[in-house]
Amino acid sequence: NAGVTQTPKFQVLKTGQSMTLQCAQDMNHEYMSWYRQDPGMGLRLIHYSVGAGITDQGEVPNGYNVSRSTTEDFPLRLLSAAPSQTSVYFCASSYAKASGTTYNEQFFGPGTRLTVL
Amino acid sequence: AQSVTQPDIHITVSEGASLELRCNYSYGATPYLFWYVQSPGQGLQLLLKYFSGDTLVQGIKGFEAEFKRSQSSFNLRKPSVHWSDAAEYFCAVGSPGGGNKLTFGTGTQLKVEL
Repeated sequence: NAGVTQTPKFQVLKTGQSMTLQCAQDMNHEYMSWYRQDPGMGLRLIHYSVGAGITDQGEVPNGYNVSRSTTEDFPLRLLSAAPSQTSVYFCASSYAKASGTTYNEQFFGPGTRLTVL
Repeated sequence: AQSVTQPDIHITVSEGASLELRCNYSYGATPYLFWYVQSPGQGLQLLLKYFSGDTLVQGIKGFEAEFKRSQSSFNLRKPSVHWSDAAEYFCAVGSPGGGNKLTFGTGTQLKVEL
């Protein structure tokens, strides 16, 4: 298994440009999430999905769009990049539920470092 | 709303010394608690987790953490730190269902002096 993969690893954008951060997992996980990491602020949830076709907002959703057309992929779109979106972005996935547990740990991708000039 | 506080932004310890990283949480029900480690330029690796049962949990790399409900704490400990433990450590609380969302603390940067 490749686990959770993210592309690209690094990206530089100019203000106003658009781009899509890719995230894929091969573990057949129902849940997928996007977090951003900023110095001194830890990781904050942007959007998440509980299954194909179902997405919802997290703590900091403004400026980002997501969709989930397949179980495997969960792309994050920046429609008009702003310097405030300079950050490291992590995708994560987990099973919805397993026998005997009510919570399943999340597996994280390696991250995408985005700079917006 | 749930929250996690890591009061120490930076900690420096000597190699071979013991380590304790503090974590306090705010959550209305039984918490699902995690410690993650992030080496420079890397992703997050799960060190250990607490869901229920024994309040002292063992993790990888010789780490352990103790859940204390009365103090709303989940401190991470290691008896003898190695230089390779230098990294940033994050405490997190999880919300079951609805995506298994995680709320993270702001992190503690650990420096190890040789």
